[in-house]
Amino acid sequence: NAGVTQTPKFQVLKTGQSMTLQCAQDMNHNSMYWYRQDPGMGLRLIYYSASEGTTDKGEVPNGYNVSRLNKREFSLRLESAAPSQTSVYFCASSEQGWTEAFFGQGTRLTVV
Amino acid sequence: ELKVEQNPLFLSMQEGKNYTIYCNYSTTSDRLYWYRQDPGKSLESLFVLLSNGAVKQEGRLMASLDTKARLSTLHITAAVHDLSATYFCAVEDGGATNKLIFGTGTLLAVQP
Repeated sequence: NAGVTQTPKFQVLKTGQSMTLQCAQDMNHNSMYWYRQDPGMGLRLIYYSASEGTTDKGEVPNGYNVSRLNKREFSLRLESAAPSQTSVYFCASSEQGWTEAFFGQGTRLTVV
Repeated sequence: ELKVEQNPLFLSMQEGKNYTIYCNYSTTSDRLYWYRQDPGKSLESLFVLLSNGAVKQEGRLMASLDTKARLSTLHITAAVHDLSATYFCAVEDGGATNKLIFGTGTLLAVQP
């Protein structure tokens, strides 16, 4: 049972490049989330998906797009990467109506 | 808008000592979570607190929730080096779509 799996684990981008962070969960959870973690700022919610087919903005959505491809997968896309998007990105999932979130291992992204 | 504040941000303590981490939040919520993060790792769920007066204990850690004061505490008893990590509280932001809002985290360093 893998839980929440994120790919890639590390990535370096040049300013202006695009990329998609992938996330998949095998716990049959309805809700999925993308957070970014920056030093001294905790985890901030970028986007979330309460169920398949729905997505909503979180605290810091600017510069990102998401796709809930199916119940298992929730991807995060950076269309034109900026140095301010250098961060560690975490995907998480939870059961419907229950917010205890289970986290992936994280993606460390550096934009130069 | 729900805000979650933790203090202290950094805590250096000696083995064998006791200390408390505080988590304050700004709007009514009945669910609060504590997570642990080791350096370079993902977040691990420690405690789920579901109601006013809830108290949970695991080893040297004890968490409590006072929903009227909008305050949770994480008490460390007789600290050991293995407890060194970053601790986050997260509060459920209720409404149509439940999601977690995280505090800034407390970096705990237990010195021998």
